[in-house]
Amino acid sequence: DAKTTQPPSMDCAEGRAANLPCNHSTISGNEYVYWYRQIHSQGPQYIIHGLKNNETNEMASLIITEDRKSSTLILPHATLRDTAVYYCIVRPLWVWGAQKLVFGQGTRLTINP
Amino acid sequence: DTEVTQTPKHLVMGMTNKKSLKCEQHMGHRAMYWYKQKAKKPPELMFVYSYEKLSINESVPSRFSPECPNSSLLNLHLHALQPEDSALYLCASSQQGIANYGYTFGSGTRLTVV
Repeated sequence: DAKTTQPPSMDCAEGRAANLPCNHSTISGNEYVYWYRQIHSQGPQYIIHGLKNNETNEMASLIITEDRKSSTLILPHATLRDTAVYYCIVRPLWVWGAQKLVFGQGTRLTINP
Repeated sequence: DTEVTQTPKHLVMGMTNKKSLKCEQHMGHRAMYWYKQKAKKPPELMFVYSYEKLSINESVPSRFSPECPNSSLLNLHLHALQPEDSALYLCASSQQGIANYGYTFGSGTRLTVV
């Protein structure tokens, strides 16, 4: 899996948009960008993924730069429940045989009241 | 059912004990995983099962013994553990060969070895 770089921690005010950056300068053409988050004492939770177009779902938006070397996860109206560690992961969409999901260090996002 | 269920939620065991962690899913996923997570660290992959066969062992010590008795169930047998094995053990599942819907994780078993 390609390596990702994320800031170790970020703060955001409740109700504001939280923008979490991720650098993945060695991403390959067949690799997608995935985001997971882990709320304290829970298992990681899938948020969103994308290849090169911007993506949006009910949880978040994903903006991927044109050269695909970086991306930003956007939580449009952050709440206290969004306080978690956010992991950016790049990996192929299709993996024949055994699969791996390898976590980097992630960003610890704290939403402040 | 869209959940991965792990039992027990908490486990305290001595270094001479034998115990097992259990993981169950009924989503029809044919790939299942064990991860280990130490405090303030990311999850680390231990084992991958694909169609009930062990596909990946990330050089895990033999005191950890995985087992996949059927497509819905994954066990992790523990024997002669060390205090440094204390951690959160996470189970996950996914559709085999298809990553677009992501992995589904359980809430984990918090293991303390005394």
